[in-house]
Parts: sequence; C-alpha cells; structure tokens
Amino acid sequence: ELKVEQNPLFLSMQEGKNYTIYCNYSTTSDRLYWYRQDPGKSLESLFVLLSNGAVKQEGRLMASLDTKARLSTLHITAAVHDLSATYFCAVTSTGANSKLTFGKGITLSVRP
Amino acid sequence: DAGITQSPRHKVTETGTPVTLRCHQTENHRYMYWYRQDPGHGLRLIHYSYGVKDTDKGEVSDGYSVSRSKTEDFLLTLESATSSQTSVYFCAISGQPNTGELFFGEGSRLTVL
Repeated sequence: ELKVEQNPLFLSMQEGKNYTIYCNYSTTSDRLYWYRQDPGKSLESLFVLLSNGAVKQEGRLMASLDTKARLSTLHITAAVHDLSATYFCAVTSTGANSKLTFGKGITLSVRP
Repeated sequence: DAGITQSPRHKVTETGTPVTLRCHQTENHRYMYWYRQDPGHGLRLIHYSYGVKDTDKGEVSDGYSVSRSKTEDFLLTLESATSSQTSVYFCAISGQPNTGELFFGEGSRLTVL
C-alpha cells in the first residue's frame, strides 16, 4: 500500500526567510505532484515532477524529486504572506489506471 | 481552468437519507475521481472511473457507490447517509496519461445530522 508522508504538518514562517518542506513516499513511483489549497477553496496544481532529478520552479517555490530516496522537497525562498496555504504532495501508484495518493498536507503560515 | 462543476455545493441532510453528488465535466476527460477531505486525513480516494461504466473502489469506498453512464458525468451516491460521512467531497478529472495531473472541482460540503 502506497503511503505518503509530509512533514512538518504545520509550519510558521517568518517573512523574508527561506524554508524547505518534505514529502516522503513508501513505494516505487516516478510521478509526484504538489498542490496548493487556500482555506475553503479547491486544490490548485503547482508542480508535476515526472522523473528522478526533476526540478520545477515557479516564483518563490521550487520543487524537486529524488525517486531513489522516495523524497520530494519544496523549497520556499523569501517567504511572503501570499504563500500562506496548505500544500499537498501526491504520488501515483504504478500500474494501469494508476491513481493519486495524497499526503495529509502541510499548512504554512507566514508572519511579518 | 478545467471545466468541472460539482452539485450541490452545500447540503445538509439527516442520517439514513440517500444523497447523490454530481460531478460534471466539459473537458471530455477519460478519468474521473471522487475524494473526501477531512481534517487530519488529507484527501482520500473514494471511487474512480476510467471510462463510461468502468469504475473501481478507492481506499474509503464503504458506504458509497458511483455511476458513470456518460463521459461527462460521475455520480457519487450515499445510499443511507451517516454522520461519519460529513465531509467535503471533491471531484477531480484527468485526461493526460503522460502526466496524470488531476484538476479539481470546487468541492461539495455535506453535513449529515
């Protein structure tokens, strides 16, 4: 059974500082996704990582994937208030009709 | 934005009553999913569909059934709602086998009293 773990589950960040959050998964997969969710809203796709060593960047966020370590990191550069949200990673199971398994999410709060 | 519409968006019902949630897409995507979101659990897959009349169970399928008679519609039914099914339900679609990326609807908040 595929398990996806995110840590920490809550992170209070100070504006202007850098942070890294983590996503670990339990079985072989070469596809990992990051989503953002604002309170009371739907999930928005941030990054799709499709191979070992993949790195994607969008603004102050950079995501990377290490399939050998079964680990993805989301690096935040110079945090700003607009980044306050819950971030989910999700991993695809192998095989036909594969489906995503989500982590529990990390809630980020940026304070002045 | 992906054309996904969920209805109803909010519903309050009583224990033991049947409830059907509808997911409608205008993208002609093959794959459709129903997830539930609860505090402390993230998103958990209830059922999914990989084509018309082709469905399968997810990790939390007990108490739920689904139907997909047309590409654009995926229905989630609670035959006899229980308080443990109070949740926010999200429909998602995927039509990109090379990436598997999901696009989510706005969610349906269900309260079972």
